[in-house]
Amino acid sequence: DAKTTQPPSMDCAEGRAANLPCNHSTISGNEYVYWYRQIHSQGPQYIIHGLKNNETNEMASLIITEDRKSSTLILPHATLRDTAVYYCIVRVVGGGNTPLVFGKGTRLSVIA
Amino acid sequence: GAGVSQSPSNKVTEKGKDVELRCDPISGHTALYWYRQSLGQGLEFLIYFQGNSAPDKSGLPSDRFSAERTGGSVSTLTIQRTQQEDSAVYLCASRYQSSGANVLTFGAGSRLTVL
Repeated sequence: DAKTTQPPSMDCAEGRAANLPCNHSTISGNEYVYWYRQIHSQGPQYIIHGLKNNETNEMASLIITEDRKSSTLILPHATLRDTAVYYCIVRVVGGGNTPLVFGKGTRLSVIA
Repeated sequence: GAGVSQSPSNKVTEKGKDVELRCDPISGHTALYWYRQSLGQGLEFLIYFQGNSAPDKSGLPSDRFSAERTGGSVSTLTIQRTQQEDSAVYLCASRYQSSGANVLTFGAGSRLTVL
């Protein structure tokens, strides 16, 4: 799986959009970008994934650059409950029998 | 059930004792994973089960760790002769294999403290 690079931490004001970047410059054509988050004392939670088109669901939007070398997870109106560690993972669909590898992620602090 | 259920939620044990941690995956999910997370650290993969295939044990840190999955559903992670460095949150996740997408559903974890 391609390596990802994320900033270790970010702050965001409550009610504002949180934009979390991820670099994946070695991504292959058949690899998807996945985002998970882990709120304190909970297990990780799936957020969204995409291949090359922008994706949106009830939790977030995923913007992938045209060259697919980077992406941004957008939480449109961050709340205090969005404070968590956000993980960007690049993976082929299915992935065979190998597990998802979680890096260090970005610790997002939403501030009142 | 509606989600992945893990028990116990908290376990305190003495060094040298054996512990068993249980995971009930989402009904119908054929893939099951165990991870652990030490305090302030990232997730460390331990073992993966997929249907009737031989499990991927490549992440188990020592032969004191073992896991089984009975009937393709419930899984038990066993740690023998626990050590203080085994203290961590042990997380279980399941996935619906046929979906293809790597969408794992995690349980809340079992926090193990070895005194």
